[in-house]
Amino acid sequence: QVQLQESGPGLVKPSETLSLTCTISGGPSRYYYWSWIRQSAGKGLEWIGRIYPTGSTDYNPSLRSRVSMSIDMSNNQFSLKLSSVTVADTAVYFCAKNAGGTWHFDLWGRGTLVTVSS
Amino acid sequence: DIQMTQSPSTLSASVGDRVTITCRASQNIITYLAWYQRKPGKAPKLLIYQASSLESGVPSRFSGSGSGTEFTLTISSLQPDDFATYYCQQYNSYVSFGPGTTVDIK
Repeated sequence: QVQLQESGPGLVKPSETLSLTCTISGGPSRYYYWSWIRQSAGKGLEWIGRIYPTGSTDYNPSLRSRVSMSIDMSNNQFSLKLSSVTVADTAVYFCAKNAGGTWHFDLWGRGTLVTVSS
Repeated sequence: DIQMTQSPSTLSASVGDRVTITCRASQNIITYLAWYQRKPGKAPKLLIYQASSLESGVPSRFSGSGSGTEFTLTISSLQPDDFATYYCQQYNSYVSFGPGTTVDIK
């Protein structure tokens, strides 16, 4: 049974870079797209972007200038970096598996709360 | 951007009730719509994809319908485990989610 677990700092200062990692366990990881999604009080659920094991990425146009994703299949992990954060980036961040080659998500992590505050 | 709306925002119901949640898209998304269930502290769970296809392992009391801009999620007989928040998501053009519908105990 494939499982996803987010990890990273729970507190980030304004203007700094948010960095999170998702660890994939219990199944193959090299044939799927992997996404990051966040949920904030102000904007609800928001898709951030996705990455394929080749390193190919798609990003939400509204966040593209600040987002970077990477993937390490040898360790079954993929990562998110969001630069120049503000309080508006405070949210629960989820990693998720795209179903097949599609844009819906058949497996999610439990999420991790990241607070942007000085 | 495609905007998604859901109604109602909150729904109070009893065990055994038939529950219907509506999701509307700001433009035609054909049938590129999914439904998720979310409970506090737990990972969101995919229920329905392609508007009406039931995800493997999801009870058959859940069903989805619709096309174009209007969609519904129906729970035929509400069970205690179904009290949760439900979200729709379009994937015709990138991804966007509805604001959610919370089903609570009447």
